[in-house]
Amino acid sequence: AQTVTQSQPEMSVQEAETVTLSCTYDTSENNYYLFWYKQPPSRQMILVIRQEAYKQQNATENRFSVNFQKAAKSFSLKISDSQLGDTAMYFCAFMKHVYSGGGADGLTFGKGTHLIIQP
Amino acid sequence: NAGVTQTPKFRVLKTGQSMTLLCAQDMNHEYMYWYRQDPGMGLRLIHYSVGEGTTAKGEVPDGYNVSRLKKQNFLLGLESAAPSQTSVYFCASTHDGKNIQYFGAGTRLSVL
Repeated sequence: AQTVTQSQPEMSVQEAETVTLSCTYDTSENNYYLFWYKQPPSRQMILVIRQEAYKQQNATENRFSVNFQKAAKSFSLKISDSQLGDTAMYFCAFMKHVYSGGGADGLTFGKGTHLIIQP
Repeated sequence: NAGVTQTPKFRVLKTGQSMTLLCAQDMNHEYMYWYRQDPGMGLRLIHYSVGEGTTAKGEVPDGYNVSRLKKQNFLLGLESAAPSQTSVYFCASTHDGKNIQYFGAGTRLSVL
């Protein structure tokens, strides 16, 4: 079984600052996917960024980037030029790769980090 | 394009009552999932389906049943609701087991 740990229950930064959310995971799998999801007060789960474990290059999406360290099993999210609309719960999630005909697997989530962007 | 739609959005039940949560997706996805989210925790997988007519257990399946009679719909049933099932329930779907899961808006369920 996989586990995902987010060690920062809450973080607060000023608008326009850069913030990094940490995530570590434990797995015996070699092929897998890592995700960061954002959950604003509306409760909707919104995908922020996705990383494929077999790709060494770190994923980026506009102001969001990750630092993926496979050997250390670490997957941190960096938000640059933070905005008020970034205030939300952020969840790190793991999903193992499922080969064709191998069924499926769901996401394993961390407990989340509540990020507050101060004006 | 509606994506993933969950019905109802809110519900209050008494202990022992039954109910069914409906998840509908219009993206022709094969895979569908039910998760629950409790305070201070991330989402946990209840059941999932890899195609029409198939279902499988996730991490926390006890007290729930599911059915996937049509590809676009995935139903989650509570036969005899308990206070421990008070939670927010999310449905998700994806094209295959490797891709991004798209989530519905969630159903807040309270069992008194």
